[in-house]
Amino acid sequence: DAGVTQSPTHLIKTRGQQVTLRCSPKSGHDTVSWYQQALGQGPQFIFQYYEEEERQRGNFPDRFSGHQFPNYSSELNVNALLLGDSALYLCASSTGPRTTDTQYFGPGTRLTVL
Amino acid sequence: DQQVKQNSPSLSVQEGRISILNCDYTNSMFDYFLWYKKYPAEGPTFLISISSIKDKNEDGRFTVFLNKSAKHLSLHIVPSQPGDSAVYFCAYRLGGADGLTFGKGTHLIIQP
Repeated sequence: DAGVTQSPTHLIKTRGQQVTLRCSPKSGHDTVSWYQQALGQGPQFIFQYYEEEERQRGNFPDRFSGHQFPNYSSELNVNALLLGDSALYLCASSTGPRTTDTQYFGPGTRLTVL
Repeated sequence: DQQVKQNSPSLSVQEGRISILNCDYTNSMFDYFLWYKKYPAEGPTFLISISSIKDKNEDGRFTVFLNKSAKHLSLHIVPSQPGDSAVYFCAYRLGGADGLTFGKGTHLIIQP
């Protein structure tokens, strides 16, 4: 049973460019959350998708957007990249958006913005 | 403004002894706490959770204690094993669609 998978593993972009990161949830999961982990920090919540809709959003600008597909997979898009967007981007999936639903994390995508 | 603080960036413990990782929080409205473990090049792995209506939850070698009056959370690992060497994050969750809010993490090193 595959866990949460993310692609690509690593990515290098330049300032001003746009990037798309992809996530496939664990089998049986229908809820996907995205997090940004800067160096030396804990993961920070970006947003959560459930039933193909953004349900909740953390303190991130509109440059960060997402999408969830009918098969529950998800994309994170970041426009107009800044140097400060360099981080590990983590996707987490769960069986629902309830408080007690355990979130399972993928290995992340390492984004470097030059 | 950190709502969840892990004040020890690192902790070194001898194999077989108890490891105690600490976490302080500011908002008494938090109602669900979790601990995650992270190895390099992997995503965080869920360890154990506790609801604010409880003060203790145990799962094998891992026990989480919640002291609501002190707004303090701790994770005890007994006995510590070499595979426990990792970064440990405490986190809380306010509501269903809310994401997790993490502390900065504590790097636990288990010495042989």
